[in-house]
Amino acid sequence: EVVLTQSPATLSLSPGERATLSCRASQSVITYLAWYQQKPGQAPRLLISDASNRATGIPARFSGSGSGTDFTLTISSLEPEDSAVYYCQQRYNWPPITFGQGTRLEIK
Amino acid sequence: EVQLVESGGGLVQPGGSLRLSCAASGFSFSSYEMNWVRQAPGRGLEWVSYIGSSGSTKYYADSVEGRFTISRDNARNSLYLQMNSLRAEDTAVYYCARDGSGSYYSWGQGTLVTVSS
Repeated sequence: EVVLTQSPATLSLSPGERATLSCRASQSVITYLAWYQQKPGQAPRLLISDASNRATGIPARFSGSGSGTDFTLTISSLEPEDSAVYYCQQRYNWPPITFGQGTRLEIK
Repeated sequence: EVQLVESGGGLVQPGGSLRLSCAASGFSFSSYEMNWVRQAPGRGLEWVSYIGSSGSTKYYADSVEGRFTISRDNARNSLYLQMNSLRAEDTAVYYCARDGSGSYYSWGQGTLVTVSS
């Protein structure tokens, strides 16, 4: 099973700052990695597929990078509405499909 | 507009059964792989089960293997999850999710399953 480890667990930043979220895989997933945003009481929303492809309707301030075992989600200039939990997910070596434990992003 | 609407959740005693449904609209349901993903209260996301577009390929998480059965009815644009021998640790919001090459492009709003005596 591929274990995805996200860091940090919690991130607290101010509007306009840059956020860098990390996802590390226990083995290579090539670029078969997605990122999701989840706000309280809502379903997750796909942000990034295949490590770096922004999903339809996702603002350009969200970007993904990485390959193999190390991946990054970057939010270039934080907006108050970016406060959420962010998850990475892989489906390269499956089943099972696995998610990271999440990074909570707080906007001060 | 893609819509996924789950139903069938509720309170059930340990050892009991429930059948979840997911009604799909706004896309060609029969062309897409589908999944169930759950989220226990205050916890992260956990993949539960996958079904291929025709229904012939199915996979399960170890935690539900042998107790849960995924199925679909492409004529009715519907996805199902039959859950038997329910345990307290199955308590969660269950989401259906449309698959696109391994990424989940669309999600339902979720249905809450509570297993408690």
